Amino acid sequence: GAGVSQSPSNKVTEKGKDVELRCDPISGHTALYWYRQRLGQGLEFLIYFQGNSAPDKSGLPSDRFSAERTGGSVSTLKIQRTQQEDSAVYLCASSLMGVNTEAFFGQGTRLTVV
Amino acid sequence: AQTVTQSQPEMSVQEAETVTLSCTYDTSENNYYLFWYKQPPSRQMILVIRQEAYKQQNATENRFSVNFQKAAKSFSLKISDSQLGDTAMYFCAFMKQNTGNQFYFGTGTSLTVIP
Repeated sequence: GAGVSQSPSNKVTEKGKDVELRCDPISGHTALYWYRQRLGQGLEFLIYFQGNSAPDKSGLPSDRFSAERTGGSVSTLKIQRTQQEDSAVYLCASSLMGVNTEAFFGQGTRLTVV
Repeated sequence: AQTVTQSQPEMSVQEAETVTLSCTYDTSENNYYLFWYKQPPSRQMILVIRQEAYKQQNATENRFSVNFQKAAKSFSLKISDSQLGDTAMYFCAFMKQNTGNQFYFGTGTSLTVIP
């Protein structure tokens, strides 16, 4: 696609429910990132996929969070048993591997847990 | 570990004036890249400018330029002739070279351009 696409744009869920957030990276981009941005805060790294390598999950805040990337393209971030503290914008980005590259971001999914 | 620090949570500037946003970082790496990203209310992160650490010359992109001080680990962004459309959050970011392109972001500076 022309850019990084994230869906849904907005999601309201009840506390305790599971949610799935989707990210379609730019075609051909081997690197994919998930970040969390709480209201008025910076970007908090969650997870990073690079090609066929094992993902870097060091930023996932708890075992309620998981992510997968199927076929080296689309990625899904899953949050189980959501809590109000999970309310945030979840940003996905993709990039080419190599030097002098940049990360291209989607517009994010705003998750609200009520 | 890499850290990126933006010490100015909020800044404002008069339209047509110049403003400088600060960023410092901490790393033991010698080869890396630095970026400034802009995030308007639409939430879309947009690359403003990038700098390769091995280049001594400061990067410029039209009204945007950086002051890269490698020894001091400082990477400030200067916006000249500020425009209303420059109002946004600005994030400084660091990427190690040859480590799979993982980005580290600062906490951001909220810039308001006053008409």
